Amino acid sequence: SQQGEEDPQALSIQEGENATMNCSYKTSINNLQWYRQNSGRGLVHLILIRSNEREKHSGRLRVTLDTSKKSSSLLITASRAADTASYFCATDSQGAQKLVFGQGTRLTINP
Amino acid sequence: GAVVSQHPSWVICKSGTSVKIECRSLDFQATTMFWYRQFPKQSLMLMATSNEGSKATYEQGVEKDKFLINHASLTLSTLTVTSAHPEDSSFYICSAITSGRSGRETQYFGPGTRLLVL
Repeated sequence: SQQGEEDPQALSIQEGENATMNCSYKTSINNLQWYRQNSGRGLVHLILIRSNEREKHSGRLRVTLDTSKKSSSLLITASRAADTASYFCATDSQGAQKLVFGQGTRLTINP
Repeated sequence: GAVVSQHPSWVICKSGTSVKIECRSLDFQATTMFWYRQFPKQSLMLMATSNEGSKATYEQGVEKDKFLINHASLTLSTLTVTSAHPEDSSFYICSAITSGRSGRETQYFGPGTRLLVL
């Protein structure tokens, strides 16, 4: 069953603005990952944050994790048209390899 | 590195036929592969976990006799949709995990296979 919920479901912003997406989950995790999916394509791994980490950066991406609230956020700074895609968070339960995906956020960057 | 391919990328078939989808890890050995399905504008739903040399583990609600999974080698897993029906039309995505590397937690995803059953 899906345990991740993301909000907003859809987000439309102007190029250059920052985009923030949130993810909540229900059970204890080893780590949380964020993926990007362009329309009709496979998933691209963006970043992994472990349960003992609070914040992680990768280029224009910033991910935070609050295990007490069972939530994570993905911030994309200085957005570009090429960032238009769906973004999914995924969690793995402790002791399990399989991932449970959130419902995703459809991000549209308007030029 | 860590490239996963799928074949075919898309397939159209008549109702009642069987369709085989291949998932290959191109530059690493994958002890575990996963199969997901994704309906339009929805998230990925895990169908089954495939371990090399053993039977696949199916998620609740997934018919193992309809979705046959074979993981005969460390670089290849196949998903066969038997007696496909229009409701099986979906986007099927595989992923793979490699063992013995620091990034073991990362799943590497294939580009997906779009199945349309007429």
